[in-house]
Amino acid sequence: AQSVTQLGSHVSVSEGALVLLRCNYSSSVPPYLFWYVQYPNQGLQLLLKYTSAATLVKGINGFEAEFKKSETSFHLTKPSAHMSDAAEYFCAVTTLFNKFYFGSGTKLNVKP
Amino acid sequence: EPEVTQTPSHQVTQMGQEVILRCVPISNHLYFYWYRQILGQKVEFLVSFYNNEISEKSEIFDDQFSVERPDGSNFTLKIRSTKLEDSAMYFCASSGGGQKNYEQYFGPGTRLTVT
Repeated sequence: AQSVTQLGSHVSVSEGALVLLRCNYSSSVPPYLFWYVQYPNQGLQLLLKYTSAATLVKGINGFEAEFKKSETSFHLTKPSAHMSDAAEYFCAVTTLFNKFYFGSGTKLNVKP
Repeated sequence: EPEVTQTPSHQVTQMGQEVILRCVPISNHLYFYWYRQILGQKVEFLVSFYNNEISEKSEIFDDQFSVERPDGSNFTLKIRSTKLEDSAMYFCASSGGGQKNYEQYFGPGTRLTVT
């Protein structure tokens, strides 16, 4: 089975500062990893995905994530936070022909 | 770009009533899923459906829940007798099968409120 752990249920950064949201996964077979963003009362928007090609994945809105097999991590970063980045972020893992396992989410607060 | 659609966007119902949540998956997809997100919590898997039958279900998906693909385009989730704890956002997802079956496309969700 697979699982995802997101460290930090709340992260607060200043506008313009680095954003780092942590995700560690567990999987007995090669995983596919995803980051989603959810704004209040809205659905899940795909930010980026790792599908066993490049380990550094670039997504929308300036976000990127690096797959590190040795650390079983897939942390999400953005060099410079913007007020519009304030939302909840979910990491998810799956394997071929399997369901998604989501993390508990990290709420990002961006201070002016 | 093709997308998964869900109706209604918000459903309010009284406890004990039956509700049907509707989803239109991407047209050539073969695998269908329902997930649930209780307010403030993570997204949880409910059920997967392939070849007109349930392929996997979670412990949440008890006898009060059922899924159906009544025609070639719709995929529905029925809750027979709703409880207060069924209040949640319900997401439908679909995937195409084959070597890209890890790519699940999520719909915008239906917010179910049980009063």
